[in-house]
Amino acid sequence: DAGITQSPRHKVTETGTPVTLRCHQTENHRYMYWYRQDPGHGLRLIHYSYGVKDTDKGEVSDGYSVSRSKTEDFLLTLESATSSQTSVYFCATSGQGARAFFGQGTRLTVV
Amino acid sequence: KNQVEQSPQSLIILEGKNCTLQCNYTVSPFSNLRWYKQDTGRGPVSLTIMTFSENTKSNGRYTATLDADTKQSSLHITASQLSDSASYICVVSEGSNYQLIWGAGTKLIIKP
Repeated sequence: DAGITQSPRHKVTETGTPVTLRCHQTENHRYMYWYRQDPGHGLRLIHYSYGVKDTDKGEVSDGYSVSRSKTEDFLLTLESATSSQTSVYFCATSGQGARAFFGQGTRLTVV
Repeated sequence: KNQVEQSPQSLIILEGKNCTLQCNYTVSPFSNLRWYKQDTGRGPVSLTIMTFSENTKSNGRYTATLDADTKQSSLHITASQLSDSASYICVVSEGSNYQLIWGAGTKLIIKP
């Protein structure tokens, strides 16, 4: 597995609170992605980054923001968590090739 | 609308048997098609990547096929093992490396 670490691995938070998920890579990959995975759905892209401070929206970006201040780290922030954001979140990276490497996932529950 | 559809949704087979999973897509422009294996509680892991010109690609007991004309792909697993129990996800890249369209996956269960 590529060196991708997500933190935290599990989190329970209350509706309306801000939440930040962290993705850290040691592969020096240019591209980083945040996905969410829900039962019956494929992985859906939230935001992605194509370089330091270069980010763009994915398919389901509403309610989420991201930041990438250095190559290794890509942060996903839920400004005000809602129950519909209860999901498993995956971070992924890719370099020059087409292959993407995934982190272990973060299970977020918003109560 | 770009979509990737997989069938069956779930499949149970006995250890040692073969199986084939299907993927149909309507993604355009097409860049490449990937199959991932996702074990429960873990991130997806790449099995194969195929471009437009590739019809078949193997990775051990996994063989993927691609028919770009009919926009269909299949993943064939030979001599299944208990460790093959996982979700298998078909992903199509829309013209660039970061525009990935994901299928919902096929959940495969191998029984002894």
